[in-house]
Amino acid sequence: SQTIHQWPATLVQPVGSPLSLECTVEGTSNPNLYWYRQAAGRGLQLLFYSVGIGQISSEVPQNLSASRPQDRQFILSSKKLLLSDSGFYLCAWGSGNIQYFGAGTRLSVL
Amino acid sequence: GENVEQHPSTLSVQEGDSAVIKCTYSDSASNYFPWYKQELGKRPQLIIDIRSNVGEKKDQRIAVTLNKTAKHFSLHITETQPEDSAVYFCAPRAGGGNKLTFGTGTQLKVEL
Repeated sequence: SQTIHQWPATLVQPVGSPLSLECTVEGTSNPNLYWYRQAAGRGLQLLFYSVGIGQISSEVPQNLSASRPQDRQFILSSKKLLLSDSGFYLCAWGSGNIQYFGAGTRLSVL
Repeated sequence: GENVEQHPSTLSVQEGDSAVIKCTYSDSASNYFPWYKQELGKRPQLIIDIRSNVGEKKDQRIAVTLNKTAKHFSLHITETQPEDSAVYFCAPRAGGGNKLTFGTGTQLKVEL
C-alpha cells in the first residue's frame, strides 16, 4: 500500500534561518506531488506541484522554493525564513483525481 | 484560475440533525468535485467525490449533489454525530489539470 512520510512534525526556526522540509512517498511510481500551506487551521493554499523529477510548478510568488530530486521525494526550502512563513505545511501525492496528504509540519518562525 | 467559495464558514447543528455545505466555483471546465474532511490536528482526507457526468452520489450518511449549470455542488450529512465535527473543504478540479483548488473550509460543530 502507499504511504506518505513528512518530517519534521514541528519546527521552530529564527527569522533569517534556512528551511528544508522533506516529503517521501512509498508504494507508487511517478506520483504527482504537492506542497500546501494552511494558515490558522483553514484554507489550503497550493504552493508547488510536480508531475515528475525536476519538474516544479509554482503557484504563488513567495520566499519558498521546491525541488524533486528523486521520483518519490519532494523538498520545500527557503534560504531565509520570514515571520510570514509560519504555518502548517502539508505535502500530498496524487493518483488520478485523489490527493493523499501527509501528517504535516507545523512551522513557527520567531 | 479557479475561484472557489464555500458557505457557510461555520455551522453548528444538534446531533441527529442534517448539515448542508455549499461550494461555488468559477471554471466551467471543472469536471471533478471532491469533499475533504479535516479533524482537529489531523490531515485532510477525502470523504466523497463526484464527477461531472453524475448529478448525485451517496455513501451512507453523506451525499454530494452537483449543479453544473449553476456551478455549485453541495455536501449533505444526515443524522449528524459528534464525530462529524471537523472542517470540511471542497476542492474542484479544472478540466484536464492536476490541481485541486481548495475552498476556505467550513467548520462543522455537532452539539450533543
